[in-house]
Amino acid sequence: TQLLEQSPQFLSIQEGENLTVYCNSSSVFSSLQWYRQEPGEGPVLLVTVVTGGEVKKLKRLTFQFGDARKDSSLHITAAQPGDTGLYLCARPIGGYQKVTFGTGTKLQVIP
Amino acid sequence: NAGVTQTPKFQVLKTGQSMTLQCAQDMNHEYMSWYRQDPGMGLRLIHYSVGAGITDQGEVPNGYNVSRSTTEDFPLRLLSAAPSQTSVYFCASSRLAGSYEQYFGPGTRLTVT
Repeated sequence: TQLLEQSPQFLSIQEGENLTVYCNSSSVFSSLQWYRQEPGEGPVLLVTVVTGGEVKKLKRLTFQFGDARKDSSLHITAAQPGDTGLYLCARPIGGYQKVTFGTGTKLQVIP
Repeated sequence: NAGVTQTPKFQVLKTGQSMTLQCAQDMNHEYMSWYRQDPGMGLRLIHYSVGAGITDQGEVPNGYNVSRSTTEDFPLRLLSAAPSQTSVYFCASSRLAGSYEQYFGPGTRLTVT
């Protein structure tokens, strides 16, 4: 059972366009992380959101945690080819530092 | 500071062969884990460890063994490789306290024929 569903699965856009990707769960979670994975490399953490309704900005990337703490979104303004990659959301499960990942959104930004 | 390192980068095995994927970290992280990544499936947790001598199963442990004799090393063993184990394998580490940020290695691409 996938605890985190991401949409869309694939996204191909032109440079300069805006986009939003989503991460949804049927259960409430305490916090959520977003990672980006470039081809041939491991995922790298972008941000952690911990409060319902929280908005965090990282240059052209805006992350929002839903008020009900069951969903999150990542919005990219004026996408650039360097934004190309796989975007993964992740949440803690159980104890310790166990983390489960979403299915991922594969983004391609065409110059 | 190398972070998390994995060897080999690529590996081809025949069905039934065994091998060990190596993982090491130099950040003194207590928590280490192994994931496999398959198209459309995201990352799935295989095994994890919260310290030397302590390991536990994740979501997809069958066919894999792990051990943790030191804080730095967390090898993953495939005892009898099967085609279903063709995947990209990632090792990750994290501190036990505070943020659960996972630090990933570069991955091992394994093909079982």
